[in-house]
Amino acid sequence: DAKTTQPTSMDCAEGRAANLPCNHSTISGNEYVYWYRQIHSQGPQYIIHGLKNNETNEMASLIITEDRKSSTLILPHATLRDTAVYYCIVRVAGSARQLTFGSGTQLTVLP
Amino acid sequence: DTGVSQDPRHKITKRGQNVTFRCDPISEHNRLYWYRQTLGQGPEFLTYFQNEAQLEKSRLLSDRFSAERPKGSFSTLEIQRTEQGDSAMYLCASSPPSGTGVNEQFFGPGTRLTVL
Repeated sequence: DAKTTQPTSMDCAEGRAANLPCNHSTISGNEYVYWYRQIHSQGPQYIIHGLKNNETNEMASLIITEDRKSSTLILPHATLRDTAVYYCIVRVAGSARQLTFGSGTQLTVLP
Repeated sequence: DTGVSQDPRHKITKRGQNVTFRCDPISEHNRLYWYRQTLGQGPEFLTYFQNEAQLEKSRLLSDRFSAERPKGSFSTLEIQRTEQGDSAMYLCASSPPSGTGVNEQFFGPGTRLTVL
């Protein structure tokens, strides 16, 4: 699976959009971008994934650049409960293989 | 609650003791994973089961670690002769069979192990 690079930490004001970047310059054509988050003392939680088109669900939006070398996870209206570590992971869709987590981005939503 | 469950949630043990953790995956999920997470780091893969077969093991899984999934449902992770370096959060995840269109892994709350 391709390696990803994320900022160590970010802050965001409550109610504002949180934009979390991820670089994955070595991504292969058959690899998807997945996002998980981990709230303190809980297990990771799946957020969203995509291949090359932008994706949106009830939790977030995922914007993938045209060259697919980077992506941005957007939480449109961040709340205090969105404070968590966010992990960007690249992997082949349908793969049964394990997830390879980096260190992620600690997002702190400020009141 | 139909999510992944893990028991116990917390375990404190003395160095040299054996510990066993249990994971109950989501019903109908045939894939089960164990991860370990130390403070400030992302989870690291330990081992993977498809049904009752253990298909992959990480080099992190030393001889003191053993995992089973005897009936293809719940799984246990045993650590023998625990060391202080084994102190970590042990996470279990499950995912459904291939072909369902769902590839994400669903994680349990974890078991936090402290070795004194």
